[in-house]
Amino acid sequence: QVQLVQSGAEVKKPGSSVKVSCRASGGTFSTYAFSWVRQAPGQGLEWMGRIIPVFGATHFSQKFQDRVTISADESTYTVTMQLSGLRSEDTAFYYCAKDADYSDVTHPNYFDFWGQGTLVTVSS
Amino acid sequence: ETLLTQSPGTLSLSPGERATLSCRASQRITSRYLAWYQHKPGQAPRLLIYDASTRTTGIPDRFIGSGSGTDFTLTISRLEPEDFAVYYCQQYGNSPQGTFGPGTVVEIK
Repeated sequence: QVQLVQSGAEVKKPGSSVKVSCRASGGTFSTYAFSWVRQAPGQGLEWMGRIIPVFGATHFSQKFQDRVTISADESTYTVTMQLSGLRSEDTAFYYCAKDADYSDVTHPNYFDFWGQGTLVTVSS
Repeated sequence: ETLLTQSPGTLSLSPGERATLSCRASQRITSRYLAWYQHKPGQAPRLLIYDASTRTTGIPDRFIGSGSGTDFTLTISRLEPEDFAVYYCQQYGNSPQGTFGPGTVVEIK
């Protein structure tokens, strides 16, 4: 059973950046791919990007590719998402999720385990 | 991009009743690559069904996924108190990226 534990809530100013981390436990980190999915208030779920740590490969939604960075630290089993150029519309819960498959970073996947979510509030 | 619509938006039912949730895609979903998730406030979303009809480990058999092409259904045969939540469908068969439906709220009548 994989558990994903995310960092705590953040409040940020417009134009700044935020980092949200996700620590995995259980299973074998080197055989995993991880995605970030967000949910703004009253909105649906939106996939942002994916990383396969063992390959060092990343793939992003066109909507976020200019502003998002996803990295992984295999020594601490941690994946981190950084979103820059924050605006009020980025206020949302951000979830890390483990992809069911890790063979192709560009191919869509379903998500078999999720973190508890991190609320990022962007406000002046 | 493949768009998903879910209906109804809200389903008001009593425990013991049957829930039928619909997910319709704007184009055919390759290989029936459709998943269903349950989401409760303050909790992590939970995977219920993948590949349209395969229950993931630990999911009770009252959750039944069906469908193909553009039309998919999640049926909860007899609602238990813990089943009241928001349910999302997600397609992962069509590139460039997986997309989610807007969700169906299953609430206690």
